[in-house]
Amino acid sequence: QSALTQPASVSGSPGQSITISCTGTSSDVGAYNYVSWYQQHPGKAPKLMIYDVSNRPSGVSNRFSGSKSGNTASLTISGLQAEDEADYYCISYTSSSTPWVFGGGTKLTVL
Amino acid sequence: QVQLVESGGGLVKPGGSLRLSCAASGFTFSDYYMSWIRQAPGKGLEWVSYISSSGSTIYYADSVKGRFTISRDNAKKSLNLQMNSLRAEDTAVYYCAGLVAVAVGYWGQGTLVTVSS
Repeated sequence: QSALTQPASVSGSPGQSITISCTGTSSDVGAYNYVSWYQQHPGKAPKLMIYDVSNRPSGVSNRFSGSKSGNTASLTISGLQAEDEADYYCISYTSSSTPWVFGGGTKLTVL
Repeated sequence: QVQLVESGGGLVKPGGSLRLSCAASGFTFSDYYMSWIRQAPGKGLEWVSYISSSGSTIYYADSVKGRFTISRDNAKKSLNLQMNSLRAEDTAVYYCAGLVAVAVGYWGQGTLVTVSS
């Protein structure tokens, strides 16, 4: 069981927007603005898409955005494209004994 | 460009040992915290261990504490993971990762470790 809770799957049609949630506690997501999001295509290494809740690394499309409210962080993908179909993971810094906690991952299907 | 290249994975029997290595290039390795993250077949990501830029601070996941040892050689730009007393549940792709601030900015391509008799 992962420390952060993500929906197992979400889906959307091309051009639509979807949101993936990542729910933690007041010791991780709620306590720090250190939530990051990763995209992973099958057989590939993960790729950083969002860091520090809402910042995009250079080269990441502005269709990807992040936010946080209380103990829940969210990743929104607008203008869905076929290549967005992948698994998405959230990670948060935490005050517990280990520095980071992971979400269980969300499979995004583009219909 | 940034490259992290893992090596050392393979098939090992339960109770055996394996040493993973990661060769870094394209960035100032000695400035970055580094980590090992693994992914069991068909499963999600799991953080294994991390080491500070100087090597003075090290953390391990409870699942590997006492069995795995992380180390680095800044002169050789390399990160290592010594894995002892391996168990079937350690079977996974192991990623070498570079931490940019508090996010995993750099990822290797991964190396597969299979623990089976």
